[in-house]
Amino acid sequence: AQSVSQHNHHVILSEAASLELGCNYSYGGTVNLFWYVQYPGQHLQLLLKYFSGDPLVKGIKGFEAEFIKSKFSFNLRKPSVQWSDTAEYFCAVGSPNFGNEKLTFGTGTRLTIIP
Amino acid sequence: SQTIHQWPATLVQPVGSPLSLECTVEGTSNPNLYWYRQAAGRGLQLLFYSVGIGQISSEVPQNLSASRPQDRQFILSSKKLLLSDSGFYLCAWSKTGQPGANVLTFGAGSRLTVL
Repeated sequence: AQSVSQHNHHVILSEAASLELGCNYSYGGTVNLFWYVQYPGQHLQLLLKYFSGDPLVKGIKGFEAEFIKSKFSFNLRKPSVQWSDTAEYFCAVGSPNFGNEKLTFGTGTRLTIIP
Repeated sequence: SQTIHQWPATLVQPVGSPLSLECTVEGTSNPNLYWYRQAAGRGLQLLFYSVGIGQISSEVPQNLSASRPQDRQFILSSKKLLLSDSGFYLCAWSKTGQPGANVLTFGAGSRLTVL
């Protein structure tokens, strides 16, 4: 079965620091990759997604992620974080080979930005 | 535009009592519907998903069941709650067909506490 690993459980950064959150998945076939974010008190929402094409994808609020197939990774990056980026971030993987409807999530990374 | 409603937002129930959480989607037809449970440090666990009325797939054996009596209505139930059923339950929907089926829109969630 497919799995998703997020090794950073809690990351604390100061404003303007650069961010990279790790995400690795276990499936070797065709994948769709996602980052979802949950801001305090808000719904879980889509941050960015990769289906095919350019492995570097850009999302909302200045976030980007790079799909590296050889490393089974889809790390999330932001060059300069803001206090408003404080949230929990979830990586997820889906595939037509899993069944169209199934999306597997990682355990999440809690990001705290210190002003 | 599409909206997803989930209720109740908070529920406190005694062990052994029944449960019913409801989710409805507006503004779309024939959506895929999902129930996830979110636990601290454990990410999002897919409990059930449905690709159509009366069609329910269960991902993990448990004390819960799901039903889809109407196209845009998804219900999570239990006949007798256990302490371990406590958690934060999220309903979500997606479009049918790849890759849209992997792009989830989540409801606000229902926090269940079993005492």
